[in-house]
Amino acid sequence: DTAVSQTPKYLVTQMGNDKSIKCEQNLGHDTMYWYKQDSKKFLKIMFSYNNKELIINETVPNRFSPKSPDKAHLNLHINSLELGDSAVYFCASSQGGKNEQFFGPGTRLTVL
Amino acid sequence: AQSVTQLGSHVSVSEGALVLLRCNYSSSVPPYLFWYVQYPNQGLQLLLKYTSAATLVKGINGFEAEFKKSETSFHLTKPSAHMSDAAEYFCAVTHSNYQLIWGAGTKLIIKP
Repeated sequence: DTAVSQTPKYLVTQMGNDKSIKCEQNLGHDTMYWYKQDSKKFLKIMFSYNNKELIINETVPNRFSPKSPDKAHLNLHINSLELGDSAVYFCASSQGGKNEQFFGPGTRLTVL
Repeated sequence: AQSVTQLGSHVSVSEGALVLLRCNYSSSVPPYLFWYVQYPNQGLQLLLKYTSAATLVKGINGFEAEFKKSETSFHLTKPSAHMSDAAEYFCAVTHSNYQLIWGAGTKLIIKP
């Protein structure tokens, strides 16, 4: 019973391609997030959704487009991939905006 | 503006020794504070949280942290380190609703 799941776990692709990462949570939470973790382990919030509405959109290139079809899912689509997009992307969820966040296992994206 | 400082990007202790990971925060409102652990190639997992109840917070795996308002600190301790504690540890503070401010992380190294 994985609480927050992401697919795929690994993604290797060429520059210029478009790819998607999917996230699902079965915790009944109303808030979901996307984070980017770079090679130095620094965590950067990208997006936050509450009840399917975009709450936080940090300074992320508009090549990144999140989509929340329902409260349990938050997908991330990336257009025209660049070398600098290589990182581990984490999905997380929480109940409300101040409570602890539950993280998925991460998707390691490598752009060649 | 809220911020989190974790002193020491790497901390090395001997197995059986005391673990002390430092976290200082700045916050304009009463904070919620969190410690998370990330094992290699995994997502982040909540160790413990402070939400304005008891100032000494006990978490999983024998870890605890003490909230000290006067020092704006929330240091993480464990009396006796195990090899299995080797991981990256992150301190975080609530920023606004739907966003945490994260420290840069501390890598805990356990020497046999």
